[in-house]
Amino acid sequence: ILNVEQSPQSLHVQEGDSTNFTCSFPSSNFYALHWYRWETAKSPEALFVMTLNGDEKKKGRISATLNTKEGYSYLYIKGSQPEDSATYLCAFSSSARQLTFGSGTQLTVLP
Amino acid sequence: DAGVIQSPRHEVTEMGQEVTLRCKPISGHDYLFWYRQTMMRGLELLIYFNNNVPIDDSGMPEDRFSAKMPNASFSTLKIQPSEPRDSAVYFCASSLDRTGGTDTQYFGPGTRLTVL
Repeated sequence: ILNVEQSPQSLHVQEGDSTNFTCSFPSSNFYALHWYRWETAKSPEALFVMTLNGDEKKKGRISATLNTKEGYSYLYIKGSQPEDSATYLCAFSSSARQLTFGSGTQLTVLP
Repeated sequence: DAGVIQSPRHEVTEMGQEVTLRCKPISGHDYLFWYRQTMMRGLELLIYFNNNVPIDDSGMPEDRFSAKMPNASFSTLKIQPSEPRDSAVYFCASSLDRTGGTDTQYFGPGTRLTVL
């Protein structure tokens, strides 16, 4: 059983604050690490797919880093806005095609 | 493209009834995945297909669950007989087969199943 853990479980920040959260995954048999954004009543939407140790990806105010040797990835949001409120999921992919999802970090940005 | 299409969006049924969930993947995608989302277990993979062939069904909870993909544009997930503990949101996702394991999976809107 692959263990993918995310922390914190939930987070409340003020509009304009920057924030980050963590995804921990097995450091062996690493293939890829995915980040998804999941708004309430919608479907998960892909943010990033990272494959190489040291990878950094950026989309607007959101960025992510990857450390495959120690088995963690960080997601950063700069200058949080209320529309960033969502659950952020990471998913680990080993040599098989399956994704194992973490339980997510629920972010609420207060205006 | 319209994205991954799932139907119905909501299903309420009584225990013991048969339930069929439907999915149309994005055209041209080679992989199709069925997930279940519950509060207790989060998002878990049930089964996935490659080119209409089931590859791994180890996530299917029990024999009451079955999935088929008769062609590249249609898949079903069937529960027979349904039980209250099957109540969950069921997602279908699809992806391209480019560099295995790194392709983005595109999710449908999900079917919220309630079994009374």
